[in-house]
Amino acid sequence: DAMVIQNPRYQVTQFGKPVTLSCSQTLNHNVMYWYQQKSSQAPKLLFHYYDKDFNNEADTPDNFQSRRPNTSFCFLDIRSPGLGDAAMYLCATSRDISGDTQYFGPGTRLTVL
Amino acid sequence: GQNIDQPTEMTATEGAIVQINCTYQTSGFNGLFWYQQHAGEAPTFLSYNVLDGLEEKGRFSSFLSRSKGYSYLLLKELQMKDSASYLCAVEGYQKVTFGIGTKLQVIP
Repeated sequence: DAMVIQNPRYQVTQFGKPVTLSCSQTLNHNVMYWYQQKSSQAPKLLFHYYDKDFNNEADTPDNFQSRRPNTSFCFLDIRSPGLGDAAMYLCATSRDISGDTQYFGPGTRLTVL
Repeated sequence: GQNIDQPTEMTATEGAIVQINCTYQTSGFNGLFWYQQHAGEAPTFLSYNVLDGLEEKGRFSSFLSRSKGYSYLLLKELQMKDSASYLCAVEGYQKVTFGIGTKLQVIP
């Protein structure tokens, strides 16, 4: 089945130790998104790619970076995780940037020790 | 920017009908999504409204009034598995902003 896959589902890292979360999609969608969701809060958009064009949200900390080497894969790099970065990280895709449903992956729950 | 308001929690009885409201203020509006999110899982798409009126899809219906900045999600014949958070999300200029979600608990 076509889907959005995130690995790993659970990630534990140490304070300040870089970590990379991965997302892949078989939907061949143009747009890929990364959201951060903390407990009982709304998903917060960090950035998105439209094809190779990167769009960073104004309030996304510099500590968060992203790479999209090809249509199928997108990575979230957290350069120096702090305790406040512990959250669920959701990857989503959509065919286009406007008027299209976003399909979410299962998420990666990040714990920072 | 966008401001989205929905109740934090609701409780309803199995077999009943529940209406979850969402109001929004936005600088640009293309449409409004409703997503369902079970605890610890990713959001899944329920509905997308662009025009005013009611869209029905099985047990779930969604209503939009653009002039009032108002939407609701109607769930009929509630089942225990409907216990989840329901996220209202507004699509503005090339960006979707999610509300905090309404946590619905269905009780026997």
